[in-house]
Amino acid sequence: GAVVSQHPSRVICKSGTSVKIECRSLDFQATTMFWYRQFPKQSLMLMATSNEGSKATYEQGVEKDKFLINHASLTLSTLTVTSAHPEDSSFYICSARRSGLSTDTQYFGPGTRLTVL
Amino acid sequence: EDQVTQSPEALRLQEGESSSLNCSYTVSGLRGLFWYRQDPGKGPEFLFTLYSAGEEKEKERLKATLTKKESFLHITAPKPEDSATYLCAVPSVGTYKYIFGTGTRLKVLA
Repeated sequence: GAVVSQHPSRVICKSGTSVKIECRSLDFQATTMFWYRQFPKQSLMLMATSNEGSKATYEQGVEKDKFLINHASLTLSTLTVTSAHPEDSSFYICSARRSGLSTDTQYFGPGTRLTVL
Repeated sequence: EDQVTQSPEALRLQEGESSSLNCSYTVSGLRGLFWYRQDPGKGPEFLFTLYSAGEEKEKERLKATLTKKESFLHITAPKPEDSATYLCAVPSVGTYKYIFGTGTRLKVLA
C-alpha cells in the first residue's frame, strides 16, 4: 500500500508554455500533499503544501502565480508551471501524507523531469 | 531552530563491507524520524519511521536506530544494489512539513 503516482514522468516544452503535473495517491486518501523541487545532487526543496479543498501554502521565495497548485480531491493534486522558462527546468516530486493516521509519513511519487527549451 | 545533519556526505564501500550512516537532529518535540532511499532520477522510497529513543527497525540489510540526538542507518554486508542516496527527515514543529538532511550518497563496489 501507499503508492503515489505522477504524470507525466518526463516533459519537454517550449519557453512560454504552461505545463501541468498530476500527483495521485492510488490506494489511500491524502488531505495533505507536498510539492518539491530537486536540483542535481541536492536535497529536496519544499515548494508548497497542498491541502484538499483549500488554498496551497507556498514556501518563501516560491511564486504562487508561477506555480499553481490545485488539490481538488483526496487523491489528486496538480502543479501547473505557468509560462515556463528554461530556469524552471528541474525535477519535480510530489508526496502525500496518509489521512486518518497519527503518522506523519510522506509517500513520494516517482518525480517529473521538466525541460524547458 | 530545527535542524537535520547527515554524515558522511558520500561513502564508498566494497561489497560486504558493513558501515553506518548518521543523521543528527535538533527539534523541539520529535514526532518521528524518517529514513528514505532515493535512486537517481526517482522519488524517495520510504524505508523506516522511528518514534522514540531506543527504537530499532530492520529491513533486509538495513537497520535503523534512534537516540535522543541522532539516528543511525546500519548497512550490513551491502551489495551493489544498495547504492543510492539515503535521506533522513523530521517533521517541523507545528506542521507536517519535513526538514530533510542533505543525504548520504552511498556507492557499493562489486
